[in-house]
Amino acid sequence: DTEVTQTPKHLVMGMTNKKSLKCEQHMGHRAMYWYKQKAKKPPELMFVYSYEKLSINESVPSRFSPECPNSSLLNLHLHALQPEDSALYLCASSPGANYGYTFGSGTRLTVV
Amino acid sequence: KNEVEQSPQNLTAQEGEFITINCSYSVGISALHWLQQHPGGGIVSLFMLSSGKKKHGRLIATINIQEKHSSLHITASHPRDSAVYICAVRKGNEKLTFGTGTRLTIIP
Repeated sequence: DTEVTQTPKHLVMGMTNKKSLKCEQHMGHRAMYWYKQKAKKPPELMFVYSYEKLSINESVPSRFSPECPNSSLLNLHLHALQPEDSALYLCASSPGANYGYTFGSGTRLTVV
Repeated sequence: KNEVEQSPQNLTAQEGEFITINCSYSVGISALHWLQQHPGGGIVSLFMLSSGKKKHGRLIATINIQEKHSSLHITASHPRDSAVYICAVRKGNEKLTFGTGTRLTIIP
């Protein structure tokens, strides 16, 4: 298995909803990442997990809450989002600092 | 000024043409990545470079560390090569710094 799988592919949620995005990889990669990408812009790093521990939080608002339950799974819990949070949310993984990345196909989130 | 600059921002070419996309960066790096993003959104990692040149099929990537410059070349371009190509650099930690991307359109 050489893929990063993200679910769901599309999500529409209201501003009072609670939802979660899921990312899974079975390549034994030790680092996993959440990125946010607005239309026609490059991805912006949100969080990095290394060996299941949060190593980087790019000052992301607390309405986004990451979780890494095990080495294969990364979640992003969403609560009380704003319409401006609508974006493509990308997950990626990497074996380590001197290696490349594998990206998922993303979750396209719309907040209404 | 962005730490990673790409040129051109947009490129339209005829099928079969030789394509060059450029990336310049202003910081010390441990590696440079070339990524491809199709309209559906998913990103594919094409190359990771720290020196020299790499080739995969019709794609060639080069890097000149002294000049802080990298190029991505596509030979015998095809409409399926139409995508956004993104240059990203790693500065030794876990973070990638991305360029703004080059939107490539290949016309049949």
